[in-house]
Amino acid sequence: AQSVTQLDSQVPVFEEAPVELRCNYSSSVSVYLFWYVQYPNQGLQLLLKYLSGSTLVKGINGFEAEFNKSQTSFHLRKPSVHISDTAEYFCAVIPAGGTSYGKLTFGQGTILTVHP
Amino acid sequence: EAGVAQSPRYKIIEKRQSVAFWCNPISGHATLYWYQQILGQGPKLLIQFQNNGVVDDSQLPKDRFSAERLKGVDSTLKIQPAKLEDSAVYLCASSLTLSDTQYFGPGTRLTVL
Repeated sequence: AQSVTQLDSQVPVFEEAPVELRCNYSSSVSVYLFWYVQYPNQGLQLLLKYLSGSTLVKGINGFEAEFNKSQTSFHLRKPSVHISDTAEYFCAVIPAGGTSYGKLTFGQGTILTVHP
Repeated sequence: EAGVAQSPRYKIIEKRQSVAFWCNPISGHATLYWYQQILGQGPKLLIQFQNNGVVDDSQLPKDRFSAERLKGVDSTLKIQPAKLEDSAVYLCASSLTLSDTQYFGPGTRLTVL
């Protein structure tokens, strides 16, 4: 089975400051990793994903994430945030094989609040 | 390309009533998922279809929840009878195949009074 831990439930930050949202996972098989964003009263939108290859992945809206296999982490970063980045962010993993193939497991979410 | 469509967007019912949600996936997507998202938590998978067959329904409370995928396209999720703890957002997602990127609909917010 897989599990995902998002280490911060809430992250307040000022506009134009850098931000890092932390995500650790546990799995007995290889996984693919995702970050989704959820704006109020909306569904989840894919920010970026890691399937294979370069461990630094760039996504939409200036976000990027780095896959660290040894630390089983997939932290999300943005060098300069905007007010419009205020939302809830979810880290998720899906096994690349095994009995849970195709089953997406989410973390608890991190609420990012950007202050002017 | 049209996204995943869901209806209704909001629903308020009293406990012990029944309710149904509808989902239309992205055209050509073989895999369809229903998730339950309780306030303050990440989405939890309820059921997963591959075409019109069930792949995983291990977390679906089968005494009150049921789901079907008509002709391998649209899907409905039903709750009968509803309980207070069923208050949540119900998200539908679809993907080309298993383990491909999942695309989510806007969700249905259910309030059970």
